[in-house]
Amino acid sequence: NAGVTQTPKFQVLKTGQSMTLQCAQDMNHNSMYWYRQDPGMGLRLIYYSASEGTTDKGEVPNGYNVSRLNKREFSLRLESAAPSQTSVYFCASITGLRRAFFGQGTRLTVV
Amino acid sequence: AQSVTQLGSHVSVSEGALVLLRCNYSSSVPPYLFWYVQYPNQGLQLLLKYTTGATLVKGINGFEAEFKKSETSFHLTKPSAHMSDAAEYFCAVSDSNTGNQFYFGTGTSLTVIP
Repeated sequence: NAGVTQTPKFQVLKTGQSMTLQCAQDMNHNSMYWYRQDPGMGLRLIYYSASEGTTDKGEVPNGYNVSRLNKREFSLRLESAAPSQTSVYFCASITGLRRAFFGQGTRLTVV
Repeated sequence: AQSVTQLGSHVSVSEGALVLLRCNYSSSVPPYLFWYVQYPNQGLQLLLKYTTGATLVKGINGFEAEFKKSETSFHLTKPSAHMSDAAEYFCAVSDSNTGNQFYFGTGTSLTVIP
C-alpha cells in the first residue's frame, strides 16, 4: 500500500520560476490537504479539497494555486516562486473519521 | 477560533524517564484532539486521537494522552522513554466548526539522553 505519494522529494528553484508539486493517494479518501512546515511554526494549511471538484483556501494561500484533478490527485502550483516559499511541503489525505495520512514531504528551496 | 499551544519547543529526558509533552487547545465546541509524531525526513504519523468517550486515550509505542476539558489540555505521556522516541511531536485540534481542517501546534522536539 503506497498511501500518500508526493513528488518530487527535493527541488531547488530560482526566484520567479514556477513548478507543480504532485500528490496522489490510493485510499479513496475524499479530503486532501496541502501544508507547509517551517521551523518553529508547525504545519500551516495552504489549501484543501473536501471532495473531488472543490478546493478552498487555508491559512496561507497567497502565492499558491491547487488543482484537484480527480479523487486520487491534488497538486500544488507555485506560479512565481519566492524565497519566502522555501519550506517543506506536505500533502495529507484525511478519512471521514478525521485521521490524516501524510506523504513524505517535498523540500523546496527557492534561491 | 481554534488554536493549539504546545509548551516547550524542546524537551530532553533520560532514557527510562517519564515523557510529558504538554498541549493546550482552544475550541468553542467539543474538539477532536490528536498527537502526531514526525521522525527526521519523514511525514507525520498518527500516535493517538480523542474523539468522544473515554478521556484517557492509548496510542502506539506506549504513549497515552488524557483529555481534560476543565483544563483544555491534552498532554502526551509515556512512562519510560526509549531512544527510539526521539522525534518531533505535534498536537492538533479539529472540530465540527472547522470541518475536516486541522490546526497544529508548533511542535515539541523530544531528545532522549542515554
